[in-house]
Amino acid sequence: AIRMTQSPSSFSASTGNRVTITCRANQSISSYLAWYQQKPGKAPNLLIYAATTLQSGVPSRFSGSGSGTDFTLTISCLQSEDFATYYCQQYYSFPLTFGPGTKVDIK
Amino acid sequence: EVQLVESEGGLVKPGGSLRLSCAASGFTFSSYSMNWVRQAPGEGLEWVSSISTSSGYIHYADSVKGRFTVSRDNAKNSLYLQMSSLRGEDTAVYYCTRGRYSSSSPDCFDSWGQGTLVTVSS
Repeated sequence: AIRMTQSPSSFSASTGNRVTITCRANQSISSYLAWYQQKPGKAPNLLIYAATTLQSGVPSRFSGSGSGTDFTLTISCLQSEDFATYYCQQYYSFPLTFGPGTKVDIK
Repeated sequence: EVQLVESEGGLVKPGGSLRLSCAASGFTFSSYSMNWVRQAPGEGLEWVSSISTSSGYIHYADSVKGRFTVSRDNAKNSLYLQMSSLRGEDTAVYYCTRGRYSSSSPDCFDSWGQGTLVTVSS
């Protein structure tokens, strides 16, 4: 199975900050990488797929980059509604695997 | 609007069984692969199973292989997960999800149900 890691596991930030979350796969997954946002008590929401493509309806302050084994999710200007946990997921091969998550909370 | 609505979960004794269902609406169900993803309390996301449009391709996580069975009824726009030999570590919120790429290949999930809690405990 492909192992996904994320860093940091959590951090505090202020609204207006630019934040970057890193996701790494232990083998190349090309661009088969998705990012999700999950708020407490809610289902996850797809933000980005194919490493860089913004899902319809997702604000443009979210962006993704990377290919192969190293990926990043960037939020250009953090808004109050962005405080949440973010997960990456590889869909290069079965079993599908998620990163452990990165929790972004308010400083 | 895409809607995925899971059936109610519940409390099950270890070794017991439970069948989850997911009612889909707002899209052509038969054109999309479907999946189950779970999340143990306070933990991260874990993929459980995927089923292709015509049920020809089915995949399971090793943690549930041989105990869980996924199925679908395209005529009823419904997805199912039959869970047996349940263990404490199966305690989780189970989400029904739609695959984004509508194929039998590994996929990401563009729509999620609200989730249903399954608790395995004596």
